[in-house]
Amino acid sequence: GDSVTQMEGPVTLSEEAFLTINCTYTATGYPSLFWYVQYPGEGLQLLLKATKADDKGSNKGFEATYRKETTSFHLEKGSVQVSDSAVYFCALGGSQGNLIFGKGTKLSVKP
Amino acid sequence: EAQVTQNPRYLITVTGKKLTVTCSQNMNHEYMSWYRQDPGLGLRQIYYSMNVEVTDKGDVPEGYKVSRKEKRNFPLILESPSPNQTSLYFCASSPRDGQSDTQYFGPGTRLTVL
Repeated sequence: GDSVTQMEGPVTLSEEAFLTINCTYTATGYPSLFWYVQYPGEGLQLLLKATKADDKGSNKGFEATYRKETTSFHLEKGSVQVSDSAVYFCALGGSQGNLIFGKGTKLSVKP
Repeated sequence: EAQVTQNPRYLITVTGKKLTVTCSQNMNHEYMSWYRQDPGLGLRQIYYSMNVEVTDKGDVPEGYKVSRKEKRNFPLILESPSPNQTSLYFCASSPRDGQSDTQYFGPGTRLTVL
């Protein structure tokens, strides 16, 4: 069945460091891919998404490219800030009409 | 303000005492869904609804019920809660479907069943 695997955390970085959070997926067809972010004590909110192969989603300095050949959707940011500390979830649009989430990666950014 | 609201935000109850967690959205969305979030497991879907009077099971529906009598509301019902239902619950909605649209999440309900 459809599934998402993302790198386990926690990830701790210094401010202005480069961030990569790996995400790979298994799915039939060409699902939509998403990154959601959960700030402490809040619900999830969409960070970015891509709906077809080679699409690049971007928002708030974060980027991810839909790579069909490697079935990946890695999240990157060139220079993280303390305010980026959160839990990041990779997700795909499942064939059953639902969202399938990875387990989440907690990011802590130190000043 | 466009939003998804959930009530209560926090709830401590005892085994077997029926409870309802309400969810309401003001965006006229057709699709609504309930998830539970547990450490190390990410988010798992409990039930979803494609429209009024249309509901279906997600990945972990056992012990839960839902109803969708109005477009804006999608309550989650635990008829006889058990300690393994202690979790953080999120309601979400999206304009049309669950797999390609952006989903908008509520703030969460932290449930403890003793």
